[in-house]
Amino acid sequence: DIVMTQSPDSLAVSLGERATINCKSSQSVLYSSNNKNYLAWYQQKPGQPPKLLIYWASTRESGVPDRFSGSGSGTDFTLTISSLQAEDVAVYYCQQYYSTLLSFGGGTKVEIK
Amino acid sequence: EVQLVESGGGLVKPGRSLRLSCTASGFTFGDYAMSWFRQAPGKGLEWVGFIRSKAYGGTTEYAASVKGRFTISRDDSKSIAYLQMNSLKTEDTAVYYCTRDRVIDYSNQLPFDWGQGTLVTVSS
Repeated sequence: DIVMTQSPDSLAVSLGERATINCKSSQSVLYSSNNKNYLAWYQQKPGQPPKLLIYWASTRESGVPDRFSGSGSGTDFTLTISSLQAEDVAVYYCQQYYSTLLSFGGGTKVEIK
Repeated sequence: EVQLVESGGGLVKPGRSLRLSCTASGFTFGDYAMSWFRQAPGKGLEWVGFIRSKAYGGTTEYAASVKGRFTISRDDSKSIAYLQMNSLKTEDTAVYYCTRDRVIDYSNQLPFDWGQGTLVTVSS
């Protein structure tokens, strides 16, 4: 099974500042046949289901603000919120879909400082 | 508008069974794989399993933690996915979500629409 590890567990960022979340997979999620990273990011606000933000490691889902960006390849990935807004307070999860057996990171809670 | 509505949750004793339903609308249900996830109170997300579309054989895959106890099925004529849960344990207590998945290929799919979830509590 592919183990996903996120860091930090939580972070507090001032409004308008950058937030950076890291995700590491126990094995590469880069598919050599199509050169795509099978890595997604989800946002979960309190009392709500998760929402898909980014897939293929860096492709924003339709309707997602461009302050959200994803980067990385192979085993190391980053989600960046370029200018934190109040509505971005949430838990963020990375997830690999390289394996049929999907797995998530433990989540990173983002709060306002 | 795409809607996924889970139902069937509730309080159940350990060792008993429960069946959850995920009723879909707003899209051609039969064209998509459907997954189930769960989230224990205050914890992270856990994949439970998924069912492929008929185009990919309608076959299923499960997480090790539920394999042999849980069964996913689908009724494309009713646009409903089911999660049959047998031999329930206290550690199965969670909010259960269904998702609509983008099919990448036979082995890979990406959940992209989520229902609101239904709470299952396993307790004596």
